[in-house]
Amino acid sequence: KQEVTQIPAALSVPEGENLVLNCSFTDSAIYNLQWFRQDPGKGLTSLLLIQSSQREQTSGRLNASLDKSSGRSTLYIAASQPGDSATYLCAVKGGTYKYIFGTGTRLKVLA
Amino acid sequence: EADIYQTPRYLVIGTGKKITLECSQTMGHDKMYWYQQDPGMELHLIHYSYGVNSTEKGDLSSESTVSRIRTEHFPLTLESARPSHTSQYLCASSEDGKNNEKLFFGSGTQLSVL
Repeated sequence: KQEVTQIPAALSVPEGENLVLNCSFTDSAIYNLQWFRQDPGKGLTSLLLIQSSQREQTSGRLNASLDKSSGRSTLYIAASQPGDSATYLCAVKGGTYKYIFGTGTRLKVLA
Repeated sequence: EADIYQTPRYLVIGTGKKITLECSQTMGHDKMYWYQQDPGMELHLIHYSYGVNSTEKGDLSSESTVSRIRTEHFPLTLESARPSHTSQYLCASSEDGKNNEKLFFGSGTQLSVL
């Protein structure tokens, strides 16, 4: 059974820092991995999707990497800003409808 | 603009009432999903649909029901709400595909049953 773990559960950093969020999964047979952002009481916004054959994806200050063989993905946020404060979730797609989500990392960027 | 919409945004209701949470998407996606999320917890799939007249139960047992009469519309109904149904309900859709299939979410409905 696929399990997705995100470490750390919470992170507080000063503005301007570069930071790394981690996501690990137990079954490497995945189609893709997606990173989402969730603001309090809101839905999820897709940030990046990495297909199983890809190693990384970039969008602006965000870079996500995927190492399928070791069951790990990282989300790198460069030059963090207070507006980046949110919960970041990763999800792996392991079947035609099956998305397994982690519990997220709550990020707070201090001004 | 193509999007996915959920109404109502917030709902406070008494025990025993029947409620329907609305979800519509304008992206023409065949696949739609309902997730339940409690604060600080992971998302749990409660229903999904591959297309019109196709609905299946997800991994988390739920007393709710869904219907898919039109591609764009995927409402969720609770026949008799209970306090244990208090949660956030998130609707999502995706275009059919495998490796590049991306999930899109609505803003969610926060349900409180008193």
